[in-house]
Amino acid sequence: DQQVKQNSPSLSVQEGRISILNCDYTNSMFDYFLWYKKYPAEGPTFLISISSIKDKNEDGRFTVFLNKSAKHLSLHIVPSQPGDSAVYFCAASEGRGSTLGRLYFGRGTQLTVWP
Amino acid sequence: DSGVTQTPKHLITATGQRVTLRCSPRSGDLSVYWYQQSLDQGLQFLIQYYNGEERAKGNILERFSAQQFPDLHSELNLSSLELGDSALYFCASSARTGVETQYFGPGTRLLVL
Repeated sequence: DQQVKQNSPSLSVQEGRISILNCDYTNSMFDYFLWYKKYPAEGPTFLISISSIKDKNEDGRFTVFLNKSAKHLSLHIVPSQPGDSAVYFCAASEGRGSTLGRLYFGRGTQLTVWP
Repeated sequence: DSGVTQTPKHLITATGQRVTLRCSPRSGDLSVYWYQQSLDQGLQFLIQYYNGEERAKGNILERFSAQQFPDLHSELNLSSLELGDSALYFCASSARTGVETQYFGPGTRLLVL
């Protein structure tokens, strides 16, 4: 049962433009969300996170938006650079209970930024 | 570099065998998490240890076990290996437990022949 879904397996964007990666979740108990970037032969690298008490968090070129009513979050990268080409994973966590701390991951979106 | 180290990077073994994967968390981190990434299942949580104690369990098979030692490094033991156990195994660490960022190691690629 996939509780975190990334429905676009791939996204291709021109350098300098905006990249928008989307993520949907089904579990209303999730209250902390993260985005990770992964290059081949490396582990996932933490990018940015957002708590459910916020609807937006920015860090440089990266902004994450959270729409709790729609159970949807998105990652915006502006401007996109060729070095951003990687697989991006959305992850979510519950803030309480026996699964505290466990991350649920989406399947990932391969972002390709071309010159 | 996340500060989380994993050894070995690659492991090739035969069905029925047993292997041990090792993880050293970031300095000061008390929690260690193990994840499996396979082609058909994506990244799946296996188990978490916090300061030496098992804290949460996910989709971990009975043939698999883990432990966290007093120096906080962790080992994941996989036994009676099957072809389907071939995957990337990632370790992650965080400062405490609960809702916080986890930092991942480079992974161990296991191939069972």
